[in-house]
Amino acid sequence: GQNIDQPTEMTATEGAIVQINCTYQTSGFNGLFWYQQHAGEAPTFLSYNVLDGLEEKGRFSSFLSRSKGYSYLLLKELQMKDSASYLCAVVDSNYQLIWGAGTKLIIKP
Amino acid sequence: ETGVTQTPRHLVMGMTNKKSLKCEQHLGHNAMYWYKQSAKKPLELMFVYNFKEQTENNSVPSRFSPECPNSSHLFLHLHTLQPEDSALYLCASSPGTSGAYNEQFFGPGTRLTVL
Repeated sequence: GQNIDQPTEMTATEGAIVQINCTYQTSGFNGLFWYQQHAGEAPTFLSYNVLDGLEEKGRFSSFLSRSKGYSYLLLKELQMKDSASYLCAVVDSNYQLIWGAGTKLIIKP
Repeated sequence: ETGVTQTPRHLVMGMTNKKSLKCEQHLGHNAMYWYKQSAKKPLELMFVYNFKEQTENNSVPSRFSPECPNSSHLFLHLHTLQPEDSALYLCASSPGTSGAYNEQFFGPGTRLTVL
């Protein structure tokens, strides 16, 4: 079967750094997406990785290791507005997006 | 209007009602999707349309019926739903269905409650 694992919930402090992990077992791999979803709102695109390594975009970075079936999203200089759920999704061999259940990130002052 | 819009935003219906959800995308994309989102569960893909043709139907009960009259509009017709169908229904669109073209743009969703 296909499986995406993420922690259910994480807590971090404003101004700190947090890493949200995602591990996957899928039939094939054609890229990995990270999305952010604030409560009551639609998911919005954060990043796309298809090659190994780190992609940096402002305060957010995403890392991929295809051999380990592993990705992480790194958030720096946390702000209160970063409180949201973060969804990991993998594109499988049929080009379907397989979604994780999401990690709820709580930022405390 | 820009992006992906959905109407209604909230819907309460009885188990014997018939209703429809509407989605419209103003992005010129070729693929459109219906998802069900329940609390603490992964997004469940229900239907995929690529160039107006249905390409996926992930064993969705027949009480959900999609319609895609053109590449900008998508409907989800609902009838004789069950209380467990209560969820957030999200519509999304993407430029295509492979690799980075799979980047999906979501509408705000319809919060459905079945009594």
